[in-house]
Amino acid sequence: LAKTTQPISMDSYEGQEVNITCSHNNIATNDYITWYQQFPSQGPRFIIQGYKTKVTNEVASLFIPADRKSSTLSLPRVSLSDTAVYYCLVFSGGYNKLIFGAGTRLAVHP
Amino acid sequence: KAGVTQTPRYLIKTRGQQVTLSCSPISGHRSVSWYQQTPGQGLQFLFEYFSETQRNKGNFPGRFSGRQFSNSRSEMNVSTLELGDSALYLCASSSGGNTEAFFGQGTRLTVV
Repeated sequence: LAKTTQPISMDSYEGQEVNITCSHNNIATNDYITWYQQFPSQGPRFIIQGYKTKVTNEVASLFIPADRKSSTLSLPRVSLSDTAVYYCLVFSGGYNKLIFGAGTRLAVHP
Repeated sequence: KAGVTQTPRYLIKTRGQQVTLSCSPISGHRSVSWYQQTPGQGLQFLFEYFSETQRNKGNFPGRFSGRQFSNSRSEMNVSTLELGDSALYLCASSSGGNTEAFFGQGTRLTVV
């Protein structure tokens, strides 16, 4: 399973755009990239998934370069409620066995 | 549509006891996975059940076991509890393929 590397922590301010980059150098051809958000004492929540190029939904964008060795989660205009841990994962064969790394602890300040 | 339901939400047990946790997946989801989350080890995969069969297993001792019923509800059992088993236990359900997994709120187990 591909290992991911992402910053341990990040700080931002309300209204700013936040970009969290994840490195996955050993990603396999059939691996997908997914991002989850977790608040304290709650289960992780799915944010976005992609395979290549760019994916956008109502909460975030995911940028994946052609070599797929990294990906960037972009959160537009963050608010205090976006303070959470963000996990980047790569997987193949379904969401039935997810391997989580340490995640990125994002703190949004007023 | 109801989300993933885990019961109980909180539990306190004594070392050496056993505990059973329950997870009701989203209706129609046949895959249920279990995870343990601790401050030191983070989120770790325990095992996954699909159609009442264990399909995947993580690197946990045999004291951790599970099962799935015909209605896809799943239970996780931990026997001979140790202090280090104190954790947030999460279950996730998915319909399969590359559609996302949905997590429950978790069961906070404290072993004293």
